[in-house]
This record gives sequence, C-alpha cells and structure tokens, in this order.
Amino acid sequence: EAGVAQSPRYKIIEKRQSVAFWCNPISGHATLYWYQQILGQGPKLLIQFQNNGVVDDSQLPKDRFSAERLKGVDSTLKIQPAKLEDSAVYLCASSLVLSGLADISYNEQFFGPGTRLTVL
Amino acid sequence: QKEVEQNSGPLSVPEGAIASLNCTYSDRGSQSFFWYRQYSGKSPELIMFIYSNGDKEDGRFTAQLNKASQYVSLLIRDSQPSDSATYLCARRAAGNKLTFGGGTRVLVKP
Repeated sequence: EAGVAQSPRYKIIEKRQSVAFWCNPISGHATLYWYQQILGQGPKLLIQFQNNGVVDDSQLPKDRFSAERLKGVDSTLKIQPAKLEDSAVYLCASSLVLSGLADISYNEQFFGPGTRLTVL
Repeated sequence: QKEVEQNSGPLSVPEGAIASLNCTYSDRGSQSFFWYRQYSGKSPELIMFIYSNGDKEDGRFTAQLNKASQYVSLLIRDSQPSDSATYLCARRAAGNKLTFGGGTRVLVKP
C-alpha cells in the first residue's frame, strides 16, 4: 500500500513570497490533516478535512495560510505572503475515517515525509 | 500550561538499559494517548496507543496511563542504538484531533 505522498520535499523562498505544498493521502482515506512542525517542537495541527469539507481550521493563520481539498483526495496548502517564522516542516497525514474514540484501527494517522520550508 | 508536556531531553541511556519517558497533560477529559517515534529528518510513526488506566505492553515497549495523576509514560526495555530518536506523546480529542507534546530526544549509547 502506497503511503502519503508530499511534494516538494524542500523549498527555500524569500519572505513575502508565496509557496504551495501538495499532498496525496493513502487511497481510501477520508480524513486529511496538515501539521506544522517547527524545529524542536511537536507537530501542530493546522487544518483537518473530512472528504472535501473542513472539520477544524482553528489553528490556521487565515490571513496568510489557505488550504483546499476540492475533490476529496489531493490537498494543497498555500502560504501567501510567507514570514520568517513560517520556516518549518509541513506534514500531511491521513486516516481512514473520522470516528469515535474506541477503534484505534480506523483512527491511526499516517504521516507523509513532509516538506521542509526555509524562509529567508 | 501546555496541553501536553514532555521533557525535551536528551535522555541518554546505555545500550540494554531501560529508557523511561514521561508525558503530562492538562485536560482531565482526555481519553486516549499515542506515542510516536520520529527519527531525525523523518516523519512520525506510531509506536503505541493507550486509553485505559494501567499498563499496555507491546514487545520491548510498555505504555502506562494514570488518569488520576494525568500522566502517560513509555518504557523502552533493552534499549538499542536504533531506538535513538525523538518520542512524541499525543492526546486524542474528539474528531480524531491530536495534540502533541514537544517530544523527548532519546540517545542510546553502545
């Protein structure tokens, strides 16, 4: 089974430029997540999709970040304009369904390799 | 107070010893917890999950949950150099939302 795919793997941009990241989840996974992981910290959830709808975007800086999952499969995360503090690894994850707490097998989040963003 | 807190380490253990990692959380309503391992430059991978008070063992790993004291721990027995990584503790909230701690870096010395 193919894992979560992300591209590009690395990106270097100047501040105030824009950048976009792409994620293709595991086939059949309805739920997709974007995390930001700053060096030395744990991942922080930015946005969560169930199919093509947004479940949670409470921690997404909406003045500069946007994300979409138009057909309920692939997703893109965009930053415009980028700031120095956006330098981080952006991780995409997917899970089979969005369900209750009891059944772990349907809730495990599988992570992609991430995109390392450096803002100069 | 952070929702999930971990000692950043590094936790240095000799090969063959037991590594003990701790995680505390602030929300008493938290039901289930996950331990992820993250090698340098790689993405997190699930090691174990626990949602009942007590111990849960899987191979060389044992997770312990104490809801009254609001802490979760992970024990790694017979530590190997390949266990050198950052270990992330996460609590799961409704909607499968994970909140991660900052991670504990573990170094296993041969």
